[in-house]
Amino acid sequence: EVQLVESGGGLVQPGRSMKLSCAASGFTFNNYDMAWVCQAPKKGLEWVATISYDGSSTYYRDSVKGRFTISRDNAKSTLYLQMDSLRSEDTATYYCARYNNLFGYWGQGVMVTVSS
Amino acid sequence: EIVLTQSPTTMAASPGEKVTITCRASSSVSYMHWYQQKPGASPKPWIYDTSKLASGVPNRFSGSGSGTSYSLTISSMETEDTATYYCQQWSSNSYTFGAGTKLELK
Repeated sequence: EVQLVESGGGLVQPGRSMKLSCAASGFTFNNYDMAWVCQAPKKGLEWVATISYDGSSTYYRDSVKGRFTISRDNAKSTLYLQMDSLRSEDTATYYCARYNNLFGYWGQGVMVTVSS
Repeated sequence: EIVLTQSPTTMAASPGEKVTITCRASSSVSYMHWYQQKPGASPKPWIYDTSKLASGVPNRFSGSGSGTSYSLTISSMETEDTATYYCQQWSSNSYTFGAGTKLELK
C-alpha cells in the first residue's frame, strides 16, 4: 500500500524558515517524480514544486522560486521542502504527492501557519 | 502559465440528476485530469487523461473534452458524490489547478 506521511509543520513567524518532510513507503520511491501541493484555508489547490525521480530536475511555481527548495533522499525514501523567507500568504496545508503524469497518491497533509 | 476556469463554482443537484462541470483552459492543452476532495480529506485522483476513470471511481462518472474545453459528467447524482472537484493540467513544467467546483446535494 502506498503511504505518504508528511511532518514538520506548525506555527512560524514571517521571514523565518521551516522544513517539511514526507516519508514514502509501499512503492519504489526512486522510480517516481514527487511534488508538493498546497491548499490555503478554505481555498483551492496550488502546485508548489516538483522534483524528478533522481533529483536532477526541479520545478517551482513563480511565487516560491528562490525561497523554497524541493529535495529528496532516495536512500531514505523521503521528500523534503525547505521553505525560507516565509510569508503570511504561504499559510496552507502542504501535501506531498507522487507524480506519474498525474498526482496519483497524496499524503494526509501538514499545516503550516505563518504568523507573528 | 495556463489558467483553468471552472464553472459553476458551486452547484446543487438532486439524487438521480445529471451533473456537468466544465473546465476551460486559457490555451489549448492536450489532456485534463480531475480530482475529488471531500471536507477534511486529501484530494483523490478521479479522472485522468481527460476520460479515464481512476481506480474505484463509479462508472456514472465520465470525462470528455479537447483543446480548451473539458468537462466532468455524472450521469445520475448520488449522495456520496457531494465533494469539490478540481481540474488540473500540465504544460511547460508548470502545473495548474482550477479553482474547484463544490457539488452539493439538493
